[in-house]
This record gives sequence, C-alpha cells and structure tokens, in this order.
Amino acid sequence: GENVEQHPSTLSVQEGDSAVIKCTYSDSASNYFPWYKQELGKGPQLIIDIRSNVGEKKDQRIAVTLNKTAKHFSLHITETQPEDSAVYFCAASKYSGGGADGLTFGKGTHLIIQP
Amino acid sequence: ETGVTQTPRHLVMGMTNKKSLKCEQHLGHNAMYWYKQSAKKPLELMFVYSLEERVENNSVPSRFSPECPNSSHLFLHLHTLQPEDSALYLCASSPGARGATNEKLFFGSGTQLSVL
Repeated sequence: GENVEQHPSTLSVQEGDSAVIKCTYSDSASNYFPWYKQELGKGPQLIIDIRSNVGEKKDQRIAVTLNKTAKHFSLHITETQPEDSAVYFCAASKYSGGGADGLTFGKGTHLIIQP
Repeated sequence: ETGVTQTPRHLVMGMTNKKSLKCEQHLGHNAMYWYKQSAKKPLELMFVYSLEERVENNSVPSRFSPECPNSSHLFLHLHTLQPEDSALYLCASSPGARGATNEKLFFGSGTQLSVL
C-alpha cells in the first residue's frame, strides 16, 4: 500500500521567515495531495491541495510543489505569522478515482512560530 | 466551525464500560468517516460510510462498532476497550461518495478518549 513520509516532525522558525515541510510517497499511482492544518483542540482543516497534472499551486502565503518523478511534494509558507503555529499533515490519495477514503496521511509536522 | 459536530469532547471510561461517540454533519455531505489519531502516528482510517452504507472497515477490532442511521449522523459504539485505545477520535465528512472526484474532508473537533 501507499506510504507517506513527512519531515521534519518539528519545525521552529522566526516570525516573518519562511517554512518548508516535505513529504515523500511510495505509490506512483497516487494523484491527489492535500495538506491539512490542525490547531490545538480542533480537527484538521484542508488548507491547500494539488493534483498530479499540476507542478505548483499557490494561495496567498501558502504554496505546494509536486515532483512526480521523485515522488515528493512540499508545503511552503512565506512571511510566517503567529497564527501559522499548528500541526500540518500531508496526505496522498492511493485510489485512481481519488476517493477520500483512499487518503494516506503523514505523521505530521509541529510548526512553531517564534515571535 | 466546520459544520461537523462531535460529542462528547472528552470521555473517560473503564475497560468494562459501554459508551458511544456521536457525530453530526450539517453540510449535506454523502460520506462520513471515523479516524483515530494517536500521538506520533498518522491518522488511521477506521470506517467509511457512503450514502449510509459501510464501504470499508480497515481491520478494526470488533470492540468498535459504527452505526450510520442517516446521512447526517454517525455513531461509534465502544465496549470493553483497552488502554491502548486511548486517542483522539475524529469524525469527518465529504461531499461525494466513494470514488467521487471531490476528496476534501471536513473534520469535527474530535472526542478525546481515555481508557482506564
């Protein structure tokens, strides 16, 4: 089955700096890659996603890049702010239909924004 | 507010107790899910219901029993749990049924379960 590795497990950056979280996947058939943000006491919330026919997607301060050949994708957050502090999860979809039940998650990255 | 409500937020139970977790979604979605979240581990999919029919059971122990009486409500019945079952149990919903192209999951805030 699909295996998703996520690094680092903890990332501390100064406010205003950029943060990068990386994930690798094992199944070349995966074609959907979402990122979820989980704040303390809340469930994960989708913040951005990318499909395999696109190499990069951007939404304000957040961007995701995908390298299908190397089977890795990354989350980039620029101009970090205190409200970016949270746990971030990457995921990959293993079914060709892309159904949500096919999502395999990484272990998460605890992002800490230092004031 | 995501539109997915879970109760209770916290639950402490003994190994011989029987309890139920409740989830309700107000989004008109067709699929609902139970996930288990443990520290330092990826989210684990437990059950999927699509159009009120269970479509996947990822080898979850029988001490966990799901119920989906309609497309808006999902329950997880718990009995004779073990201490290692202590975790955050998350409910989620998605607009499409299994195999649909819209894969976005909407999560509730979870029930933090402690088994003593």
